[in-house]
Amino acid sequence: DAGITQSPRYKITETGRQVTLMCHQTWSHSYMFWYRQDLGHGLRLIYYSAAADITDKGEVPDGYVVSRSKTENFPLTLESATRSQTSVYFCASSELVSRYEQYFGPGTRLTVT
Amino acid sequence: AQTVTQSQPEMSVQEAETVTLSCTYDTSESDYYLFWYKQPPSRQMILVIRQEAYKQQNATENRFSVNFQKAAKSFSLKISDSQLGDAAMYFCAYRSAGGNQFYFGTGTSLTVIP
Repeated sequence: DAGITQSPRYKITETGRQVTLMCHQTWSHSYMFWYRQDLGHGLRLIYYSAAADITDKGEVPDGYVVSRSKTENFPLTLESATRSQTSVYFCASSELVSRYEQYFGPGTRLTVT
Repeated sequence: AQTVTQSQPEMSVQEAETVTLSCTYDTSESDYYLFWYKQPPSRQMILVIRQEAYKQQNATENRFSVNFQKAAKSFSLKISDSQLGDAAMYFCAYRSAGGNQFYFGTGTSLTVIP
């Protein structure tokens, strides 16, 4: 199916564990983004990528690692999860041309206990 | 970095009435794009409307329209004939021309009263 997908949709993990959230898009969009959504903060950018093998930090990158070996995939890894990383995580993609909007995945609700 | 401010955390409107959601932004750039996104309880982010800063004409999409005031750096969303399905969180977003990042406001939660 065309679009942007995220997996898993829900995840519960324990403090200190490593967890990876997956993101896959079928449009061949150049840009991909990871956001976290928390009440009162809206959407905050964690990392973004302009192309394969090109990534850059956003507003709240600490505790997260990303990679982009293929254009269509952009996994987000929490190396040692903390309770403060409990959140809803959204992956998004967009065309290179800036007039175009971002397309969002369905989100992953992550709970760190 | 650009900042986007939504000063109304919550709004409510009677069904079939009109409501306006406010958004202001801070930028020194002259060319940029503004967006309104809707997030219903399903969590899926849906684009509602887009405005190019170089266009003086306000964007319109069916019952949704914007009031874009470039000098005031204001970008409000007007929803006419509100429907129960309009109940959602609404986010204002900014992207500079040639830029790679989007900047989002903190959102406005809209309740539609039957």
